[in-house]
Amino acid sequence: DAGITQSPRHKVTETGTPVTLRCHQTENHRYMYWYRQDPGHGLRLIHYSYGVKDTDKGEVSDGYSVSRSKTEDFLLTLESATSSQTSVYFCAISEGDRTYGYTFGSGTRLTVV
Amino acid sequence: SQQGEEDPQALSIQEGENATMNCSYKTSINNLQWYRQNSGRGLVHLILIRSNEREKHSGRLRVTLDTSKKSSSLLITASRAADTASYFCATDNGNDMRFGAGTRLTVKP
Repeated sequence: DAGITQSPRHKVTETGTPVTLRCHQTENHRYMYWYRQDPGHGLRLIHYSYGVKDTDKGEVSDGYSVSRSKTEDFLLTLESATSSQTSVYFCAISEGDRTYGYTFGSGTRLTVV
Repeated sequence: SQQGEEDPQALSIQEGENATMNCSYKTSINNLQWYRQNSGRGLVHLILIRSNEREKHSGRLRVTLDTSKKSSSLLITASRAADTASYFCATDNGNDMRFGAGTRLTVKP
């Protein structure tokens, strides 16, 4: 999707290892979000950021941490991956008032074995 | 927890027919948005309707909102095979946005 890229696109990792997913935007949007998508649950918010070094928890934040040292980058870290964190992770960006909705990245499919 | 819940979970129609998907939610909202997701891709924003609006159109899309019933519907007219995707409603309460589990639409050529 234009203006927002996620890396890697696919990753397989072992239980107990740390994993970092990256979201990069070129739109200079203030807000960035990390969601996970699981069958039957829709998208659930993990963490979000409303500016450099300003982050807050979403509804499913346990086991995850985030960092935003630059406007364009938002990192999601699984501190010690578990099988329950196998999911598709989406990053999204928005302008402050969300009038135009969110722009989503193409997702990262993470498998924890 | 989800805010919006789409109905039906899956819908299969013939090309040229209209497709209607419904969304119900539980709390007050500022706006409601609909998104489309093609297989293996991210969500794409389709349309936003504010809480003080009742109906909105965009091309072949028509969205209605009934705040008294806490429900919304998305109508896709004259469907095409390319409309095959999952459709999600999302409710914005001013603090965050919550997504439903989606309706899987299949349009048969």
